[in-house]
Amino acid sequence: QQPVQSPQAVILREGEDAVINCSSSKALYSVHWYRQKHGEAPVFLMILLKGGEQKGHEKISASFNEKKQQSSLYLTASQLSYSGTYFCGTEMGGNNRLAFGKGNQVVVIP
Amino acid sequence: EADIYQTPRYLVIGTGKKITLECSQTMGHDKMYWYQQDPGMELHLIHYSYGVNSTEKGDLSSESTVSRIRTEHFPLTLESARPSHTSQYLCASSAAGDYGYTFGSGTRLTVV
Repeated sequence: QQPVQSPQAVILREGEDAVINCSSSKALYSVHWYRQKHGEAPVFLMILLKGGEQKGHEKISASFNEKKQQSSLYLTASQLSYSGTYFCGTEMGGNNRLAFGKGNQVVVIP
Repeated sequence: EADIYQTPRYLVIGTGKKITLECSQTMGHDKMYWYQQDPGMELHLIHYSYGVNSTEKGDLSSESTVSRIRTEHFPLTLESARPSHTSQYLCASSAAGDYGYTFGSGTRLTVV
C-alpha cells in the first residue's frame, strides 16, 4: 500500500526550515527518502530502520515514529540545491521492496 | 565508477512493436527493480529480482516481462507496445541488507 506524503508542495526561502511527512497504515520495517530533480533519477538520501537506526549520507535529518508508522524529513537552513520532489519509500517485512508515495515538491527560492 | 545504466534514454515507437529496455549495473548488487513513473506521480513497482534466475511481478500489473540471466543485467521486454505503455521506466538496484536504491536515469517511452 502506497504511503501518504504531506504537504504536497512547499515553497521556502533559502535558509528557512521545512518539515515534510510520510505516513503508512501498515507496520513498517524501514522508511527510505529520495530526492528527484526534474528530468533526473531519484537519489537516495536516507534510510530509517525499525529500532531507530539511521543510515544516510547527506546533511538532512529525519525521524521515524514506529508507533504511528510516520516519518518526517527535516530540511534545515535550506539551500537552493534542496529543490526537487522528495519521495518516501516504505518497506514492510525486511524484503527491501519499496512502495512510494506521491512525493513532496519542494521549491527553494533565493 | 560503479553505476547503473539504462538505454535507450528516450524511445518513440509504434503500436504493436516489440521493445526491450536495457538496464545494467556495475556494483554487483543482487537486488534489482523496475519501477514505472508517470509525470508528477509516484513510482510503481512492476518487477523485481533478488538474484540470477529469480524474477517476480511487482504491485502494479504490467504486460511486460523481465529476465535475470546475469547479476549485472536486468532487461525489460514489451512484446507488443500499446499507447497505455507510455511512461517513464526506472531501473534500480540495491545491495543485500538495509541499503538504499541506486536508480538509473530512466527510459522515457512513448508509444504512438
